[in-house]
Amino acid sequence: QVQLVQSGAEVKKPGASVKVSCKASGYTFTSYDINWVRQATGQGLEWMGWMNPNSGNTGYAQKFQGRVTMTRNTSISTAYMELSSLRSEDTAVYYCAREENIVVVVAATRWIERYGMDVWGQGTTVTVSS
Amino acid sequence: DIQLTQSPSFLSASVGDRVTITCRASQGISSYLAWYQQKPGKAPKLLIYAASTLQSGVPSRFSGSGSGTEFTLTISSLQPEDFATYYCHQNTFGQGTKLEIK
Repeated sequence: QVQLVQSGAEVKKPGASVKVSCKASGYTFTSYDINWVRQATGQGLEWMGWMNPNSGNTGYAQKFQGRVTMTRNTSISTAYMELSSLRSEDTAVYYCAREENIVVVVAATRWIERYGMDVWGQGTTVTVSS
Repeated sequence: DIQLTQSPSFLSASVGDRVTITCRASQGISSYLAWYQQKPGKAPKLLIYAASTLQSGVPSRFSGSGSGTEFTLTISSLQPEDFATYYCHQNTFGQGTKLEIK
């Protein structure tokens, strides 16, 4: 079945980095973008960015620019999200989620059809504490 | 940055009620807006994409509409399993709408 399985919980000290993995199975890894979303306890969802596993192209939310890096290893169908310079406010559950995005080109017009994040990982708890 | 603002933030309703949640963008956005449902301790679930397309397997009592700066999610007849938090999303999430049982 289609699933995304994330790595286990992490405890980090302020200033450190964390790298969370997201292993895809049951579908063609390079056919869907991977998004990363986080949620602090009792708070709303926060979108961090996306990565296209085929090209490696990425797009990050402005808040995380310079601190987040999204990569992949296509040989093992795994995406990674690394967040650096951790602070206590980064304590949250981090989710990966796949999204089908199709580039449409008609004449001189180009747009991206987005089909929503339909499969999610189980979440990875990252705790930042001294 | 574009911001998405949902209203209301909290909604109390009864089984069988019709409810509407609104998502307003700070400036015009494309129609590729999605809606998600989240229950405590669970990952979000995709309900609607491209503003009005129902995700496979989602009950037809859920519907979405809108364009430009205003989008809505409607639940035509609330069921007990619909009490959850709902989020709109296009590159950012709305703050969420918590739907509670009256």
